[in-house]
Amino acid sequence: GEDVEQSLFLSVREGDSSVINCTYTDSSSTYLYWYKQEPGAGLQLLTYIFSNMDMKQDQRLTVLLNKKDKHLSLRIADTQTGDSAIYFCAEMNNDKLIFGTGTRLQVFP
Amino acid sequence: DAGVIQSPRHEVTEMGQEVTLRCKPISGHDYLFWYRQTMMRGLELLIYFNNNVPIDDSGMPEDRFSAKMPNASFSTLKIQPSEPRDSAVYFCASSWTSADTQYFGPGTRLTVL
Repeated sequence: GEDVEQSLFLSVREGDSSVINCTYTDSSSTYLYWYKQEPGAGLQLLTYIFSNMDMKQDQRLTVLLNKKDKHLSLRIADTQTGDSAIYFCAEMNNDKLIFGTGTRLQVFP
Repeated sequence: DAGVIQSPRHEVTEMGQEVTLRCKPISGHDYLFWYRQTMMRGLELLIYFNNNVPIDDSGMPEDRFSAKMPNASFSTLKIQPSEPRDSAVYFCASSWTSADTQYFGPGTRLTVL
């Protein structure tokens, strides 16, 4: 079945790295995405990775993909208070995005 | 481009009333998606369109919900009659193709009393 799972909360100190994890179920997913949602706002695409890649880096963001374990992670280096938000991973399945439950990241000084 | 535009941003209505949510996709995008976000169920895809034609409405909860896309620049999601359990944030998103990045609007927060 379609089920994308994430831990619900993560709390980190400003300046530390954050790692948000996600597991998905469909090994045929071609793209996997990370979206960010700030309070009262819509979802903003952060980054995505094609299924034939293991890693993608974009400034402070690093995405790691382990296809064997169907595990996706998002690492945010030098986490800032402005990074506080809910982060959703999503897989593309039959032309539809299946979202995880979202991880609420709280950054404290 | 202004991005995906949704209106209204907030809607408060009474049970039994008709509610219409509106969406203007990004110009040139052929796909339009309607999502619902609640604390209990997270983000759910309700329906999506390709070139104004509904492709998959399997996520529409029940017959009280209907969606239309009369042209490439406008879509509506209607709930009639509305119920308190319909209270949620409704997002519209659009993309060039089904496999492309979806761009989300700011959402409409619906409260049904």
